[in-house]
Amino acid sequence: DAGITQSPRYKITETGRQVTLMCHQTWSHSYMFWYRQDLGHGLRLIYYSAAADITDKGEVPDGYVVSRSKTENFPLTLESATRSQTSVYFCASSLRDSRTEAFFGQGTRLTVV
Amino acid sequence: DQQVKQNSPSLSVQEGRISILNCDYTNSMFDYFLWYKKYPAEGPTFLISISSIKDKNEDGRFTVFLNKSAKHLSLHIVPSQPGDSAVYFCAAVSGATNKLIFGTGTLLAVQP
Repeated sequence: DAGITQSPRYKITETGRQVTLMCHQTWSHSYMFWYRQDLGHGLRLIYYSAAADITDKGEVPDGYVVSRSKTENFPLTLESATRSQTSVYFCASSLRDSRTEAFFGQGTRLTVV
Repeated sequence: DQQVKQNSPSLSVQEGRISILNCDYTNSMFDYFLWYKKYPAEGPTFLISISSIKDKNEDGRFTVFLNKSAKHLSLHIVPSQPGDSAVYFCAAVSGATNKLIFGTGTLLAVQP
């Protein structure tokens, strides 16, 4: 299917486990982003990527790792999950840069118990 | 430290009237601003944007106003429709970092 897809949609994991959230886009957009949505905080930028093999930290990068070996994929890994990382995670992509329209996936609801 | 602030968590408006959503920012390096709309259980979708060299941008029922001296922008929806009920996020971009920073969101409820 064309567009941007996130998997899984829902995930429950235990504290201390490693978790990877997947994001795949079919448009060959240059930029990709990871956000987390929490009540009272809105959407906070975790990491973003301007192109394959180029990534940079956002507002709240601690505890997360990203990679972008291919333009279409931008996985987000929680190295050792903590309860504070319980959140809804959104992946997005945009054609050229942050000023161009960003297209968001449907989100992954992650619960760390 | 929240660089983009939406101080009204919620807003209720009658159908057909004007909805005004406000956004304040602190970083003077922001040079591009966007509004996104989000329905429950969906990702945000782009609505309208404005460059810092302009003070107004209009697209159908949606108009964004930018007051750079006050570091304030607003989104006007006229006339409001029940389908506009959603969470609205203000976002800003700094040319220096190219980061897209979002505000906390405002829940708009348009009453029929």
